[in-house]
Amino acid sequence: DVKVTQSSRYLVKRTGEKVFLECVQDMDHENMFWYRQDPGLGLRLIYFSYDVKMKEKGDIPEGYSVSREKKERFSLILESASTNQTSMYLCASSSRTGTVHYGYTFGSGTRLTVV
Amino acid sequence: GEDVEQSLFLSVREGDSSVINCTYTDSSSTYLYWYKQEPGAGLQLLTYIFSNMDMKQDQRLTVLLNKKDKHLSLRIADTQTGDSAIYFCAPIVAGNKLTFGGGTRVLVKP
Repeated sequence: DVKVTQSSRYLVKRTGEKVFLECVQDMDHENMFWYRQDPGLGLRLIYFSYDVKMKEKGDIPEGYSVSREKKERFSLILESASTNQTSMYLCASSSRTGTVHYGYTFGSGTRLTVV
Repeated sequence: GEDVEQSLFLSVREGDSSVINCTYTDSSSTYLYWYKQEPGAGLQLLTYIFSNMDMKQDQRLTVLLNKKDKHLSLRIADTQTGDSAIYFCAPIVAGNKLTFGGGTRVLVKP
């Protein structure tokens, strides 16, 4: 069964910590995405990547960075966590040629609480 | 950019039909998707419709597209308790990116 795996379901971090959220896909997808989900706001795109070592800012990149050193792995980094980054983080992937027919495949999400 | 609007909440009785509505602004969207999110889980693709279609039926799901009004709806026939979830409308935009609405929380009452 093809999969997008996010390394943690729940995380609690302190304000000011550097936080790494990991996402791995086993579908050989070129495209990978990081979203945050907040009640009433839906999914907002933080960063995305169409290829290894490539990254593009989404709609809300401030306070975040990403790394894509290998095709299957896309990491989201919170440089200095703040309480307003408490949220559900969702990773997704898609293939360059298959997006229109298959959309995105999502991971189960990481619920991050910053205290 | 694309704006996608959905109502926040829908309550429906088990066995009735549910209709979830969505409006969007980008008329160039070629594919429009519906995703379902169950509690504590990621998003799961339910169905999609191509912009040259008015309707698509897939078992209990019917998608209607009014391209002129930029209005998309998802009808679930014979709604079951397992259909309780958040439903997201997501048109595709330039660069094959999906833009998601805020989601409609559907509560199915026995």
